[in-house]
This record gives sequence, structure tokens and C-alpha cells, in this order.
Amino acid sequence: KQEVTQIPAALSVPEGENLVLNCSFTDSAIYNLQWFRQDPGKGLTSLLLIQSSQREQTSGRLNASLDKSSGRSTLYIAASQPGDSATYLCAVHMDSNYQLIWGAGTKLIIKP
Amino acid sequence: EAGVAQSPRYKIIEKRQSVAFWCNPISGHATLYWYQQILGQGPKLLIQFQNNGVVDDSQLPKDRFSAERLKGVDSTLKIQPAKLEDSAVYLCAIGGGVPDTQYFGPGTRLTVL
Repeated sequence: KQEVTQIPAALSVPEGENLVLNCSFTDSAIYNLQWFRQDPGKGLTSLLLIQSSQREQTSGRLNASLDKSSGRSTLYIAASQPGDSATYLCAVHMDSNYQLIWGAGTKLIIKP
Repeated sequence: EAGVAQSPRYKIIEKRQSVAFWCNPISGHATLYWYQQILGQGPKLLIQFQNNGVVDDSQLPKDRFSAERLKGVDSTLKIQPAKLEDSAVYLCAIGGGVPDTQYFGPGTRLTVL
């Protein structure tokens, strides 16, 4: 059974710092991995999607990497801003079905 | 969030009462999902529709939860009767029917007292 873990559960850093959020999964037979952002009172917004054959994806100040063999993904945020404060969740699609398996998320606070 | 409306946004009920949530995608998508997200956890899939048909409802507590999708567009999720542990945010999402990006609505926050 696939399990997705995100550590730490919460992170607080000063504005301007570069930071890394971690996601690990137990079953490497994934179809793809996605990073989502969740703001309070709002739904989830997809940030980056990495197919299983890819190593990384970039969008603006965000870079997500994928290492299937080790069961890890990282989300790198460059030059953090207070507007980046949110909960970041990773989720994997398995080869066997189209259901998303979710981590519990990392709550990120960027201090001005 | 764009493209999926949900109502109501907030609901407070007492245990054993009934409640219904609505999901209204702005544009037609083959696949529609209902998720339950308990505070501090990731979303849990309750039911997945492909057009009008149910693809996966293995984690739906069928003794109290029911869902339907009307004409392959709008959907409702009902809880009858509600329990304290049903307190959560209920998220509706749409997708293209393949393992691709899903688009989420803002959710309905349910509090059961």
C-alpha cells in the first residue's frame, strides 16, 4: 500500500531565504507526482506535475525534483516571499489506478 | 479553484442531522471527485465519477454517505445522519479522466457538534 509522507509538518523561515520541502513515498511504481498549494479557506492549486520519466519540473521560483528509485521528491522555493505562506501537499498517481495518494502537507510560514 | 463552484462554503450541524453539499463545475469535464479532508491531513478520496457513472467509491461510508452526478455535470454529496468524525472540509475536483492535473473547488467546511 502506497504511503506518502511529508516532513516537516510545519516550517517557518524569514523572507528571502531559499527553502526545500520534502515528500517521500514507499512504492516507486508511480505514474506521476504533483505538488499542490492550499491556502486557508480555498481549494488546492496544482503547482507542478512531474511524470515518472522526468527528473524535475520548474515554474518561476519553484523547482520540483523526483527520484523514483529512492522514493523522494523535493520542492525548492527560491527567494521566499510572505505570499508563499500556505500548506504545500504532494500527491502521487499510481500505475495501477488513477487515484491520488496524498501526503499530509507542510505548513509554510514566511516571516516578513 | 477556477472552474469549480461549491456550496455552501460553511455548514454547522448537530450530530444525527442530515446535510448536503453541491458541486457545480463551470465547464464539462468527464471526471469528478469528492474528497474529505480532515484538519491536518491530506485529502481522502470518497468517490470518483466518470460522466454519470461511479468509477471508485471504495472509501465512501455507504451507510451514511451518498453521492450522485446529474447529467454528467453537477454533483451532490449527502450525509445522513452525520457523526462528529464527519467534521472536515469536503472538496470537489474535476479532471480529464486520466492521471493528470485536477482542478479543485474551494471546499465546504462542515462542523458537526
